[in-house]
Amino acid sequence: AQKVTQAQTEISVVEKEDVTLDCVYETRDTTYYLFWYKQPPSGELVFLIRRNSFDEQNEISGRYSWNFQKSTSSFNFTITASQVVDSAVYFCALSEANGYALNFGKGTSLLVTP
Amino acid sequence: DAGVTQSPTHLIKTRGQQVTLRCSPKSGHDTVSWYQQALGQGPQFIFQYYEEEERQRGNFPDRFSGHQFPNYSSELNVNALLLGDSALYLCASSLAGESSGNTIYFGEGSWLTVV
Repeated sequence: AQKVTQAQTEISVVEKEDVTLDCVYETRDTTYYLFWYKQPPSGELVFLIRRNSFDEQNEISGRYSWNFQKSTSSFNFTITASQVVDSAVYFCALSEANGYALNFGKGTSLLVTP
Repeated sequence: DAGVTQSPTHLIKTRGQQVTLRCSPKSGHDTVSWYQQALGQGPQFIFQYYEEEERQRGNFPDRFSGHQFPNYSSELNVNALLLGDSALYLCASSLAGESSGNTIYFGEGSWLTVV
């Protein structure tokens, strides 16, 4: 069975601080995909990144970066120089190789204050 | 390019009633999935439709059923509503046939309140 754990329920930072959101996963599959989504108050889940299990290269997109480490089954997400607009709930998710169901963590609520 | 659209956005139902939620996938997508998100929780997978058939199902009772139409749009039906069915229902679309883990896009959801 697959499982995603986001141990941080809520994080509060001051604008311009760096913040890392943790994600630990469990799966017996050798091929799998990891995702991060952002959910603003409107409810829509906004896709941020997808990473397959064979690609452990870290990725950077603007102020966002992701660190994938299979050895520790972690896929952490860092926001550099956070902004108020980054305030949202962030979800980490895992899917089987066939790309069917997404298994989500419980999410981390990030609050960035001015 | 239209994204995933869902209707209605908000609705209130009484226990025991039935509800139908609708979803139009992103243009070019042929696969629709439904998720239930209770307050303060992550989304839970209900089922997925492809080629008008249910392809995969999560751990939800038979009260939850769905349908996919030839134009790829989909409906989620919930019968005999319970208070615990109150949640945000999210529709997700994707394109089958790409390498697994294809990007999955979500709509803004339908907020269902059961009283």
